[in-house]
Amino acid sequence: QKEVEQNSGPLSVPEGAIASLNCTYSDRVSQSFFWYRQYSGKSPELIMSIYSNGDKEDGRFTAQLNKASQYVSLLIRDSQPSDSATYLCAVNPGTYKYIFGTGTRLKVLA
Amino acid sequence: EAQVTQNPRYLITVTGKKLTVTCSQNMNHEYMSWYRQDPGLGLRQIYYSMNVEVTDKGDVPEGYKVSRKEKRNFPLILESPSPNQTSLYFCAIMGRGPGELFFGEGSRLTVL
Repeated sequence: QKEVEQNSGPLSVPEGAIASLNCTYSDRVSQSFFWYRQYSGKSPELIMSIYSNGDKEDGRFTAQLNKASQYVSLLIRDSQPSDSATYLCAVNPGTYKYIFGTGTRLKVLA
Repeated sequence: EAQVTQNPRYLITVTGKKLTVTCSQNMNHEYMSWYRQDPGLGLRQIYYSMNVEVTDKGDVPEGYKVSRKEKRNFPLILESPSPNQTSLYFCAIMGRGPGELFFGEGSRLTVL
């Protein structure tokens, strides 16, 4: 069983819609959760971090964490073609190790 | 602004020919780490370092060595590369917030 699971996609949404990306993790002691965006051929860049249950909003991005369900999600409002990328979910189980999901490819259709 | 510089960015080599991928940072961060990224497998941690002379294995350390003789540099050494080490490699440091990683631009390695 993979430790961090994401649907590989592609997830296609029309421009202006809400994109919803999901991630589940298996290690209950995980403390910190991150979403990275990776454009093709580029390095991952951090877009959101979340450490406690609930929602965290930053501009058009909202991260949601539910530790009881071991579930973290990312909502992108008013999706733009420039949001088309692969989104990586990452979990830090309280050590110096990081576990990444394989990513969800998002396509925003103009 | 944080900078993580990797060299080389692209390399084609042959099986068994030792190579080193360098990583340097300009922020004096204690934490540095190496990842490889493969289709369908995602980013996997190879080694990490918490400070000078302090390193530890990640999830896929086999076939790799690292050293941390000074804080700003964390080279990845492939003593005898094999084709299954063909991959995209990223060096990362700790970013601004707790646990946040900042990645270098990546090094694409092909072993024939």
